[in-house]
Amino acid sequence: DIQLTQSPSFLSASVGDRVTITCRASQGITSYLAWYQQKPGKAPKLLIFAASRLQTGVPSRFSGSGSGTEFTLTISSLQPEDFATYYCQQLHSYPTFGQGTRLEIK
Amino acid sequence: QEQLVESGGGLVKPGGSLRLSCAASGFTFSDYYMSWIRQAPGKGLEWVSDISSSSSYTQYADSVKGRFTISRDNAKNSLYLQMNSLRADDTAVYYCVRGGARSYGMDVWGQGTTVTVSS
Repeated sequence: DIQLTQSPSFLSASVGDRVTITCRASQGITSYLAWYQQKPGKAPKLLIFAASRLQTGVPSRFSGSGSGTEFTLTISSLQPEDFATYYCQQLHSYPTFGQGTRLEIK
Repeated sequence: QEQLVESGGGLVKPGGSLRLSCAASGFTFSDYYMSWIRQAPGKGLEWVSDISSSSSYTQYADSVKGRFTISRDNAKNSLYLQMNSLRADDTAVYYCVRGGARSYGMDVWGQGTTVTVSS
């Protein structure tokens, strides 16, 4: 199995801050990496696919980068609606998720 | 509008069975890999199984292999998950999702159906 390690697990930030979440894969996954946002009681929402491509309708303050084993999700200027849990997912082999990053308001 | 709607969840005793269904609309269902993903209470996301567009290929997480069976009926735009020998740790919200392994992201999610395994 390919393991994904997200860091940090918890992040406290303020509206307007720039935040970065990292996802490391236990082996190379080329660009088979996606990022999701999940709010309480709701289904996850795809933000980024193929490591760096912005899903239609997702604000441009979200961006993804990386390839191989190290990836990042950046939110350039946090908005109130961005406080949620974020997951990375690899789809190179049978899909696995990172453990999640909970982003809370400072 | 692309939509997935799950049904079939409920309370079942350990060792019991349940069949989940997912109705797809707003897109050509037969063109896509489909997956089931679950989330235990207060926990993260776990991929359970996926199936190719023509049902030729299926794969399962080790945690459900031999107990769960994924299937689809493209004529009915429907995805299924037959769950047997259910255990307490199968308790979760189960999501029907468009996409599978070797896709670049899972872009359409249902609202989820809750499965509770308890005596």
